[in-house]
Amino acid sequence: GAGVSQSPSNKVTEKGKDVELRCDPISGHTALYWYRQSLGQGLEFLIYFQGNSAPDKSGLPSDRFSAERTGGSVSTLTIQRTQQEDSAVYLCASSLELEGEQFFGPGTRLTVL
Amino acid sequence: AQSVTQLGSHVSVSEGALVLLRCNYSSSVPPYLFWYVQYPNQGLQLLLKYTTGATLVKGINGFEAEFKKSETSFHLTKPSAHMSDAAEYFCAVSRNTGFQKLVFGTGTRLLVSP
Repeated sequence: GAGVSQSPSNKVTEKGKDVELRCDPISGHTALYWYRQSLGQGLEFLIYFQGNSAPDKSGLPSDRFSAERTGGSVSTLTIQRTQQEDSAVYLCASSLELEGEQFFGPGTRLTVL
Repeated sequence: AQSVTQLGSHVSVSEGALVLLRCNYSSSVPPYLFWYVQYPNQGLQLLLKYTTGATLVKGINGFEAEFKKSETSFHLTKPSAHMSDAAEYFCAVSRNTGFQKLVFGTGTRLLVSP
């Protein structure tokens, strides 16, 4: 595709449910990043992938958060047993190479009731 | 550790006036510096970046920023604001090697009045 796409654009869920957020990076981009944008914490790094490997998971807030990337392309961020504090916009970005410019998707707005 | 401070959560200007958005950073290693813009319900778009070389960096939409090491600043300016510049602006810093974990400031919302 022309840019980074994310789905769904909006997700409303009940506390305690699991959610999956999807990111389709720009074709050919080897690096993929997840960020979270929330009112209380601003924009914060969650995790990045180089290919299918995630060398740095330091930003994941808790063990309820996990992410994977398959085929060096699509990535899924999974949040288990969602809590209200997980409500945020989850942004995905990709770059051609590890030190390249990051291109951001439009984000997924997650609301946990 | 790296951090970014953006002074002023909101900045209001009149159309045609100078835009100045302030960013100060802290970094234990030579940084890369970025300004991103976010329009409502959209992702982040890179305005400009400083890596090495010339300290005055020109970006898209008439914006520019100057890296001042002595002041640890990277302020964003535009000589004449346009209504379409109304958006949220984020300053970010990363290391100058390896993967680019962006550390963002809290953002400044630019309001432009006619």
